[in-house]
Amino acid sequence: NAGVTQTPKFRVLKTGQSMTLLCAQDMNHEYMYWYRQDPGMGLRLIHYSVGEGTTAKGEVPDGYNVSRLKKQNFLLGLESAAPSQTSVYFCASSPLGQALSNQPQHFGDGTRLSIL
Amino acid sequence: DAKTTQPNSMESNEEEPVHLPCNHSTISGTDYIHWYRQLPSQGPEYVIHGLTSNVNNRMASLAIAEDRKSSTLILHRATLRDAAVYYCRTSGTYKYIFGTGTRLKVLA
Repeated sequence: NAGVTQTPKFRVLKTGQSMTLLCAQDMNHEYMYWYRQDPGMGLRLIHYSVGEGTTAKGEVPDGYNVSRLKKQNFLLGLESAAPSQTSVYFCASSPLGQALSNQPQHFGDGTRLSIL
Repeated sequence: DAKTTQPNSMESNEEEPVHLPCNHSTISGTDYIHWYRQLPSQGPEYVIHGLTSNVNNRMASLAIAEDRKSSTLILHRATLRDAAVYYCRTSGTYKYIFGTGTRLKVLA
């Protein structure tokens, strides 16, 4: 029962470095999401995807890019990391439903990213 | 834009009921109300969701106000394992809007 798997679990970067966070789900879900979680801010949506090959901006998209080349994978990229991007990143997925908001989201356990 | 408001923290004694409130006064008519909980160092876990009617499952109950501007997550008998941060979630312009969460402390 893998569900949603995030790689890596921890990472430390220097300012200006780039990296890609990988999210993989084995539930055949149509929708996938990337969130960041900061103290006192709750979960904020970065980007999301409603299907293979499609992505859209969320609430806080600046400084991030995403790709969904395969249905089961959703990649989050930081081209030039900044200290403000230090956060815990969560990936989630949800199945297709009658209404987008009807379906529960399934979350991974997060990637803890520190930018020095 | 849609917004959810929750108390920062609440306390409960073990084996007593807990009522966790959420205000979502700008919710649209077709948006579902979801609740999730998050244990330390884990991702959020789905608890329950509903649209207009009250809902029950093995984990909790969800009471939705008639005007849908607020909801209450009910844990019927709190256990130490229920200590977590509880988030309510609705939808908005940028899809899902999570509240900042209520940290529930359960006292033995």
